[in-house]
Amino acid sequence: DVKVTQSSRYLVKRTGEKVFLECVQDMDHENMFWYRQDPGLGLRLIYFSYDVKMKEKGDIPEGYSVSREKKERFSLILESASTNQTSMYLCASNKGGGLGYGYTFGSGTRLTVV
Amino acid sequence: GQNIDQPTEMTATEGAIVQINCTYQTSGFNGLFWYQQHAGEAPTFLSYNVLDGLEEKGRFSSFLSRSKGYSYLLLKELQMKDSASYLCAVRVRDAGNMLTFGGGTRLMVKP
Repeated sequence: DVKVTQSSRYLVKRTGEKVFLECVQDMDHENMFWYRQDPGLGLRLIYFSYDVKMKEKGDIPEGYSVSREKKERFSLILESASTNQTSMYLCASNKGGGLGYGYTFGSGTRLTVV
Repeated sequence: GQNIDQPTEMTATEGAIVQINCTYQTSGFNGLFWYQQHAGEAPTFLSYNVLDGLEEKGRFSSFLSRSKGYSYLLLKELQMKDSASYLCAVRVRDAGNMLTFGGGTRLMVKP
């Protein structure tokens, strides 16, 4: 069964901490994405990557950075966590090329910043 | 950019039929997806439309009209387990395979 795995289901961090959210996929997908999901706001794109060492800003990149050193792993980094970054974070991946067929999502990481 | 609208909440009765609408404004439209998301879980793929018309898959069907920028998800013979959020997402040609999501419709199925 194909999978996108997020390292933590729940995280609690303190304001100012550096936070790493890890995502690994085993489908040899080229594209990987990080979204955050908040009530009433839906899924908003933070960063995405079309290839190893490649990254592109999404709609709300401020306060975040990403790393893609290997094809299967896409990490989201909160440089200095703040309370407004409390959210559900979803990683997704899909195949590259013109006919990608939607996303496979990870189970999500619910991050609380106190 | 893209603008995707869907109702925030809907309520329906077990055994009934419900239609969840989605309207979008985008350039370079290249497909519309519906996802189901149960509370606290990841979204799962339900359907995909790129041409006009109805796609049927068991109790779920999805319709697309590209000229009207309109889609709906139809759920028949509703079951309690269908209580979930339903997300409409659009893919645009110039953005590779990236999807833009609507805010989601929370469906509550009552006995």
